[in-house]
Amino acid sequence: GAVVSQHPSRVICKSGTSVKIECRSLDFQATTMFWYRQFPKQSLMLMATSNEGSKATYEQGVEKDKFLINHASLTLSTLTVTSAHPEDSSFYICSARDTRGGREETQYFGPGTRLLVL
Amino acid sequence: QKEVEQDPGPLSVPEGAIVSLNCTYSNSAFQYFMWYRQYSRKGPELLMYTYSSGNKEDGRFTAQVDKSSKYISLFIRDSQPSDSATYLCAMSLNSGYSTLTFGKGTMLLVSP
Repeated sequence: GAVVSQHPSRVICKSGTSVKIECRSLDFQATTMFWYRQFPKQSLMLMATSNEGSKATYEQGVEKDKFLINHASLTLSTLTVTSAHPEDSSFYICSARDTRGGREETQYFGPGTRLLVL
Repeated sequence: QKEVEQDPGPLSVPEGAIVSLNCTYSNSAFQYFMWYRQYSRKGPELLMYTYSSGNKEDGRFTAQVDKSSKYISLFIRDSQPSDSATYLCAMSLNSGYSTLTFGKGTMLLVSP
């Protein structure tokens, strides 16, 4: 239980294009999902908190118009990197909070999406 | 001072060794403490989850929390090459209902 998937696992795109990353909780419903960014040999940096049916809450310094987050259902959140540039190249990881009874109430992570913008 | 300090390593040990990984933190309000294991180019995997001070054991892994010293540890017994990964400590104020604060991670290398 508590499996989170991400798609795609890696993507290469041209500068100026938009890229959508999907995060799904496979065996539980997640009212809250989180999006992180990780640079090589660095820890995870929280970008935004995504709540089902409402607007995402962005961390300071994260451009909400550039990183569009949609959490339309209890099992799916999407992150769209709009007008991507080479500096947006990074490892993007989502997590979902599993609040089922008897489960440890913490975040379970997806496998990550590696984005390379040329 | 950063909220969570963790030595990035790498920590190199021979197979079978006991490994000790540590984090210190500055915010005494943290109540929940987690250890995640992250293999290269993969998402973090939850290893241990503890609340407040004390010990928790799961197989070869033991997590310790000393809130008075603001110090948490993860011990790995009989380490295996497959344990080679980056280990991230994380903590939160209110179980899963608040955001996680991560350490930078310690890279562990277990040689056969």
